[in-house]
Order: sequence, then C-alpha cells, then structure tokens
Amino acid sequence: GAVVSQHPSRVICKSGTSVKIECRSLDFQATTMFWYRQFPKKSLMLMATSNEGSKATYEQGVEKDKFLINHASLTLSTLTVTSAHPEDSSFYICSASSGLSYNEQFFGPGTRLTVL
Amino acid sequence: SQQGEEDPQALSIQEGENATMNCSYKTSINNLQWYRQNSGRGLVHLILIRSNEREKHSGRLRVTLDTSKKSSSLLITASRAADTASYFCATEIQGAQKLVFGQGTRLTINP
Repeated sequence: GAVVSQHPSRVICKSGTSVKIECRSLDFQATTMFWYRQFPKKSLMLMATSNEGSKATYEQGVEKDKFLINHASLTLSTLTVTSAHPEDSSFYICSASSGLSYNEQFFGPGTRLTVL
Repeated sequence: SQQGEEDPQALSIQEGENATMNCSYKTSINNLQWYRQNSGRGLVHLILIRSNEREKHSGRLRVTLDTSKKSSSLLITASRAADTASYFCATEIQGAQKLVFGQGTRLTINP
C-alpha cells in the first residue's frame, strides 16, 4: 500500500524559533498533499492543501505567514512553523493523494511539536 | 468548521461485544471514510463508502450510509482489546478535494 512518512516524529523547540516538518510519499507520486493539525483528544483540522508546483490553499483562519508550506516535488511537502510559540504546540499530520482512486488520502504518522 | 458530528463521543464495552458508532454530516458528499487512530499515532484508513453505496463490509467492520439522512454508522463486531482507539469519520465534500473530519469516538474495549 501507499506509504507516507513524516520527519521528525517529535520535536521540541524554544519559543521564537522556526521548525520544519517534512512529509514524503515513499512509493507513489502525490499530486496533492494536505496538512492537518490535531489538538489533544480532538479531531483533525485541515490547515492547507498543496499541489505540486503551486501555492498552497489555506483554510480560513490559518495564517499563511505563520505556517509556510512548500510542495517542491511530487514526493515532498514541507510545513514550516515560523516563530513558534507555545500555542503552536500540537500534533501535525500530513496526507498525500495521487489523484486516483476517489482521491484517497494516505496519512503520515504525524509530528508532535512542543514549543517551550 | 467541521461538518461531521459523531456519537457517542466515548464508548466503553466488554471484549466480544459489538460497537456501533454514528456519524452525521451536513452537505452533499462524494464519499465517506472511516479512520482509526491509536493514541498519539497517525490515522489508519479502515473503509471508504461511496455516495451511491448503502452498505459495505470489511472483515469485522460494517459501514452503512444513508444519504437521505446524511448519516453513516460503523459497526465493529466481536470487539477485541486491540480495537481500542479513536475512530473518525471523514467526508469528501462534492466539488472539493478535501476531507472534513468528525469529532471522533473514543472506543475502549475492556478485556
């Protein structure tokens, strides 16, 4: 089956620093990648949708300058949390879609971000 | 905003019993999907049911979809301790290539 990886799986950083999270599709080409945020014991909230080679589409209320998304290739998307603050601490999950099979999304294992 | 509502929010049953979780949504959909998430982990895709389907089975899982009521149910039969997890429904909305997740049901199977 399709495999999506995320790196790092866990990151702790100081307030004010920037953190980059990578999402890779390992065995298929992902025309579209999605970034979600999940608070403890809560549901996934879609942050943005990115298509390879074009600008990401952000959901309402998500700051574009805060959460920078780059989808430079068909197998890699990155999410950079800029000037992180404790309220940015969360579980970030990406998913990837090949555009086939009813736009099925394959999810990465998630990245736990803790901002001190 | 999230369009999926799930109930119950939490469910605790004995091993061997059946577990039923429900999901309601608001707009027209292409399909509805169910996912499982173990604590602190990623999502595992369980089953996808298209808008023109009414019922689907996969192993111990049975999913129904009623588009007239905009609702779906997930039944897990003969539950096992390993089924303990959070279960989310997600709808792919017509005209939008994105999933909208429900609030989830936390299922606990007691041995």
